[in-house]
Amino acid sequence: EAQVTQNPRYLITVTGKKLTVTCSQNMNHEYMSWYRQDPGLGLRQIYYSMNVEVTDKGDVPEGYKVSRKEKRNFPLILESPSPNQTSLYFCASSRLQQAAQGDTQYFGPGTRLTVL
Amino acid sequence: SQQGEEDPQALSIQEGENATMNCSYKTSINNLQWYRQNSGGGLVHLILIRSNEREKHSGRLRVTLDTSKKSSSLLITASRAADTASYFCATCSSNTGKLIFGQGTTLQVKP
Repeated sequence: EAQVTQNPRYLITVTGKKLTVTCSQNMNHEYMSWYRQDPGLGLRQIYYSMNVEVTDKGDVPEGYKVSRKEKRNFPLILESPSPNQTSLYFCASSRLQQAAQGDTQYFGPGTRLTVL
Repeated sequence: SQQGEEDPQALSIQEGENATMNCSYKTSINNLQWYRQNSGGGLVHLILIRSNEREKHSGRLRVTLDTSKKSSSLLITASRAADTASYFCATCSSNTGKLIFGQGTTLQVKP
């Protein structure tokens, strides 16, 4: 089954404790990205990647890192999480051409992160 | 800046009624998409309409696009309680693939 998976789905952590949210897709998509969703602010892009070893900042990259060592994986790293990073996080993927044309992107189930 | 803006923000209807949600955007687009978000949080792609299309159907969904007014509407016919969710329109920044979502319309369908 074609899908985007994220782990963990729920996480409660404390300020400053490094964490990684994994994202994996099995559709051989070149394009992957991360969004966060906050009440009143909607979904905002954090980082995106157009292919292996190619990543770039979205609208709200501060406090986050990403890596793209393999095509299927695009982990989101919070080196020193803070309470303002409490949010619902989504990973998405698509063919590069689809992304460039504003075509369908496939979203993971979301990771609800709480930073105390 | 937010590109897609939905109207209304919230909508409550009875099962069997139709639900209409509207979306406005600011810049030129190739496509416009509608997504649904359930209470559990997952985002599901519903339908995509291309800039050269005026109307598109998928099951009980009907989407229209008016590029001259930079607006789109999503109609759900014969609504069901299971349609209760938030609905978002999204356009795309074509050079980065970034999807720009509206604030969404929260739909409640009462049994």
